[in-house]
Amino acid sequence: NAGVTQTPKFQVLKTGQSMTLQCAQDMNHNSMYWYRQDPGMGLRLIYYSASEGTTDKGEVPNGYNVSRLNKREFSLRLESAAPSQTSVYFCASRKVNEQFFGPGTRLTVL
Amino acid sequence: SQQGEEDPQALSIQEGENATMNCSYKTSINNLQWYRQNSGRGLVHLILIRSNEREKHSGRLRVTLDTSKKSSSLLITASRAADTASYFCATNQAGTALIFGKGTTLSVSS
Repeated sequence: NAGVTQTPKFQVLKTGQSMTLQCAQDMNHNSMYWYRQDPGMGLRLIYYSASEGTTDKGEVPNGYNVSRLNKREFSLRLESAAPSQTSVYFCASRKVNEQFFGPGTRLTVL
Repeated sequence: SQQGEEDPQALSIQEGENATMNCSYKTSINNLQWYRQNSGRGLVHLILIRSNEREKHSGRLRVTLDTSKKSSSLLITASRAADTASYFCATNQAGTALIFGKGTTLSVSS
């Protein structure tokens, strides 16, 4: 099992550009999450999906959209990137109480 | 806003010493979890303690929970260089996603 995979690993964008971060899990988990991690801030929840077909806002959803494409895949879209969105983005899935994290996408917005 | 706050922010010890880090939180919880993050990697689940438990062990890890003080501690005994990482507490309330603290960075030198 690959667990939780994320693509790309690194990305540099210019202000105003758009992009989609991809996340997939092969553990048949219902719940999936997107977090951002900034220095000194820990992880902050952007959006989550409790099950296929549902999505909910987390603590910092502004500037982002998500799509739960199917049970395996949960994508995060930046429609118009801003320098404040420079961060490391982590996707996670959940089995009962434990969350499983992907390796992260390091995004820089210039 | 973040639920958990770890203390200290950074901790440096020698191999063989014990490392203790603390987590305080604000509201009632179902359970509290500890995660480890190695540099440049995703988070990995270490241990979960339920609100009706006071202490739990897993290998060299010992977790305590004091719900009256809304606090938890993680003790790593006989630390090794490989324990160098950031450690995060995360709280789980009924029907919500995990909320992570800002983390403690542990450095173990040989």
